[in-house]
Amino acid sequence: EVQLVESGGGLVQPGGSLRLSCVVSGFTFSSYAMSWVRQAPGKGLEWVSAISGSGGSTYYADSVKGRITISRDNSKNTVYLQMNSLRAEDTAVYYCAKVQSSSWYVCLDYWGQGTLVTVSS
Amino acid sequence: DIQMTQSPSSLSASVEDRVTITCRASQSISSYLNWYQQKLGKAPKLLIYAASSLQSGVPSRFSGSGSGTDFTLTISSLQPEDFATYYCQQSYSTPRTFGQGTKVEIK
Repeated sequence: EVQLVESGGGLVQPGGSLRLSCVVSGFTFSSYAMSWVRQAPGKGLEWVSAISGSGGSTYYADSVKGRITISRDNSKNTVYLQMNSLRAEDTAVYYCAKVQSSSWYVCLDYWGQGTLVTVSS
Repeated sequence: DIQMTQSPSSLSASVEDRVTITCRASQSISSYLNWYQQKLGKAPKLLIYAASSLQSGVPSRFSGSGSGTDFTLTISSLQPEDFATYYCQQSYSTPRTFGQGTKVEIK
């Protein structure tokens, strides 16, 4: 059974930092890219970042570029999201998701339950 | 960045109604289009990938069509468990943008 479990969310002051983790099981972690998607309270989904299976390629939304870093540790089946210089608009539930892809499609086929990040003084 | 626009933003329908949601991309994305369902307080669930391929375990009343810039999600006979918000997502290029969502409510 595929499982993704996020942790590390919480309350942080503007300008602060937070590191989210997502531990996965049920598939060969290093063979798959992973992604983070966030959802502000009462709003829609926003794609945040993605990382290749090897960790050699990373991708970011413009809204977080330079402030957020995605990484992974394939020995620990874990993907991370290091969030710095946090702003009120970063307040959201953050979901990690497994990327399923081939030559003709890319999709997010499994999702975690999400972890809430609140940026407030 | 590719912009994704869904319509309508919300709709009211009855059980057994046929429901259609559209999604338009700001440029051609071939068939790199996915649909997700999200129920209140839950993580999104993949319904359709590559515009028209049904994800394993998803009921056959869900179907997707389209290519290029215009796409459609159809629920052939709405069931009580289908009341939710639906999102399209393009996976043609990064950032892999989502539409703003369509909330399907009970009439």
